[in-house]
Amino acid sequence: DAGITQSPRHKVTETGTPVTLRCHQTENHRYMYWYRQDPGHGLRLIHYSYGVKDTDKGEVSDGYSVSRSKTEDFLLTLESATSSQTSVYFCAISGGLGEQYFGPGTRLTVT
Amino acid sequence: GENVEQHPSTLSVQEGDSAVIKCTYSDSASNYFPWYKQELGKGPQLIIDIRSNVGEKKDQRIAVTLNKTAKHFSLHITETQPEDSAVYFCAASIRGKSSGDKLTFGTGTRLAVRP
Repeated sequence: DAGITQSPRHKVTETGTPVTLRCHQTENHRYMYWYRQDPGHGLRLIHYSYGVKDTDKGEVSDGYSVSRSKTEDFLLTLESATSSQTSVYFCAISGGLGEQYFGPGTRLTVT
Repeated sequence: GENVEQHPSTLSVQEGDSAVIKCTYSDSASNYFPWYKQELGKGPQLIIDIRSNVGEKKDQRIAVTLNKTAKHFSLHITETQPEDSAVYFCAASIRGKSSGDKLTFGTGTRLAVRP
């Protein structure tokens, strides 16, 4: 998985609680991305980062925030989890030549 | 924004036969088209990609073709093997922005190769 780890790998949480997912890379790549994967929708971009402290919104950013204080770490936060945020979340990294490499994913269930 | 449509959603082939998956995109400015393979419980794996300055690219049993005029691109797998069974995703993006490449994905094709 191209030097990418995600934690936790599985999480069950209750509606209304905050949740933070972590993506860690060892490739020193500039670009990092968060996607969610749902049946019938493929992968959809939530937020992305093009450098430390440089982030922007993707297609489905409502209800999510991100932070990147170090090159190697990109955090995704659900401020108040809802059942519609039950999904599999993938982090991806890129060195800037177009190719994106994905992590193993985090399965999040909001009850 | 970009919209990528992928067909078919499921595909079953006999081992040794060829498989073809097709995608269309809407934004004529898109210039980078990767294909990903996803096995159960794993993250998507980049298997091949093509840029808009070429029409075809091959890597062993896998090939991708691009028709910029018609705005469609296809994945071809020859001599399929059971280990090719997986979900395949196409994607498109506009390369060259300093803020990064935002991929838009198709909805996936589940390929089953029958032994």
